[in-house]
Amino acid sequence: QKEVEQNSGPLSVPEGAIASLNCTYSDRGSQSFFWYRQYSGKSPELIMFIYSNGDKEDGRFTAQLNKASQYVSLLIRDSQPSDSATYLCAVVRTGANSKLTFGKGITLSVRP
Amino acid sequence: EADIYQTPRYLVIGTGKKITLECSQTMGHDKMYWYQQDPGMELHLIHYSYGVNSTEKGDLSSESTVSRIRTEHFPLTLESARPSHTSQYLCASSEYLTGGGYTFGSGTRLTVV
Repeated sequence: QKEVEQNSGPLSVPEGAIASLNCTYSDRGSQSFFWYRQYSGKSPELIMFIYSNGDKEDGRFTAQLNKASQYVSLLIRDSQPSDSATYLCAVVRTGANSKLTFGKGITLSVRP
Repeated sequence: EADIYQTPRYLVIGTGKKITLECSQTMGHDKMYWYQQDPGMELHLIHYSYGVNSTEKGDLSSESTVSRIRTEHFPLTLESARPSHTSQYLCASSEYLTGGGYTFGSGTRLTVV
């Protein structure tokens, strides 16, 4: 089992719809959770982070965390064609020697 | 403005040449990382550093080497480039206690012909 798994893609949604991106992780000691967006040919860009169980909203983006189920998700409301990108989930234990563990990513396509 | 810089942005070089990819950050981060990523594929950690004079190999075996003589600078060197080294190389940095995420540079797209 991979340490961070993202549901298979690609994911295609119509413009204006809600896109739901899911991620599960295996390390129960994980404490911080991140979503990165990567446009084709570009570097990853941090768009959301969440540390506590529940929801965290930032504009059209909502991150959801359930540590008991080892599950983190990203919801994108009112999806726009500019949201078309690969979304990477990453998790980490806080500590001096910790490193982020990235998922493989899921590619989202928003159809106009 | 605090940031992380990679140069060159694109590099096309012949087989057998020695190359150094530069990465510098002005955020005062202790931790720095090099990732390799082929188009449409996942990130692979190839090197990381927790501070000056600290370097470690990552999860993916790489023929490259790195050095960390100054906090802000983390160059990656290939002694003899081969076509199999063709890829995108991404540098990132983070604070010492990695409760926060990584900041990535713009990347270097390397093509070895």
